[in-house]
Amino acid sequence: GIQVEQSPPDLILQEGANSTLRCNFSDSVNNLQWFHQNPWGQLINLFYIPSGTKQNGRLSATTVATERYSLLYISSSQTTDSGVYFCAGPNAGGTSYGKLTFGQGTILTVHP
Amino acid sequence: EPEVTQTPSHQVTQMGQEVILRCVPISNHLYFYWYRQILGQKVEFLVSFYNNEISEKSEIFDDQFSVERPDGSNFTLKIRSTKLEDSAMYFCASSRTGFGYTFGSGTRLTVV
Repeated sequence: GIQVEQSPPDLILQEGANSTLRCNFSDSVNNLQWFHQNPWGQLINLFYIPSGTKQNGRLSATTVATERYSLLYISSSQTTDSGVYFCAGPNAGGTSYGKLTFGQGTILTVHP
Repeated sequence: EPEVTQTPSHQVTQMGQEVILRCVPISNHLYFYWYRQILGQKVEFLVSFYNNEISEKSEIFDDQFSVERPDGSNFTLKIRSTKLEDSAMYFCASSRTGFGYTFGSGTRLTVV
C-alpha cells in the first residue's frame, strides 16, 4: 500500500512564529487531506487538497501531486495550534474510495 | 457547517462485553467509514460502507466487528466481545463523493 511520511516528527515554536509541515507520498495521490488532532483527541479537517494551493486564515496548504508531496503552512502560530497534524491519502493508484492511509503525524507545541 | 456526530464521546466497558458505537453521518453523504487510533499511534482504516454494504475492510476488521446502517441516518460499529487491545479512539467519517472526508469527533473506548 501507499506509504505516507511526515516531517518533522516534532516541532516546538514560540507564539507568533511560522512553520512548514511536509507530507511525502510513495505514490500519486488524488485525495489528500490535512487534519489537526487537538489535545482532546478530536480530528479536525483542515484541507482537502489533491492539488494546488488553498488558504484558510493563518493556514495554507500546497500539494504538488506530480512530485508526491504536500506542505502545510502555519503563520503567526498561536498556542491553540498545538496538537498533532496528520496528512492522509488513498491507497496506491488512488482507486479506493475510503482507505485513507495516515502519516505518523507531526506533534506541534506552541509556547506562549 | 454540517457535522458528523458520534456518541458516546467516551465509553468504558468490561472485557468480553459487546459495545455499539454510534455515528450520524452528514445527511447527503453516501460513503461511510470507521477508523481507529490506538493511543499514541497512527489513525488506521477499519471499514468502508457504500450502498448498504461493506466496500472494503482492513485486516483489523475481523469477525468480532460489524457495521450497520439500520435506519438511513445512523451508522454503527459493533464490537462483539471486547478485548483490552480494542481500547482506542474510534472515528466515524463520511463523504458525499468518496473524495474528501468529514470525520466525527471520536468515541474513546476503554476496555478494562
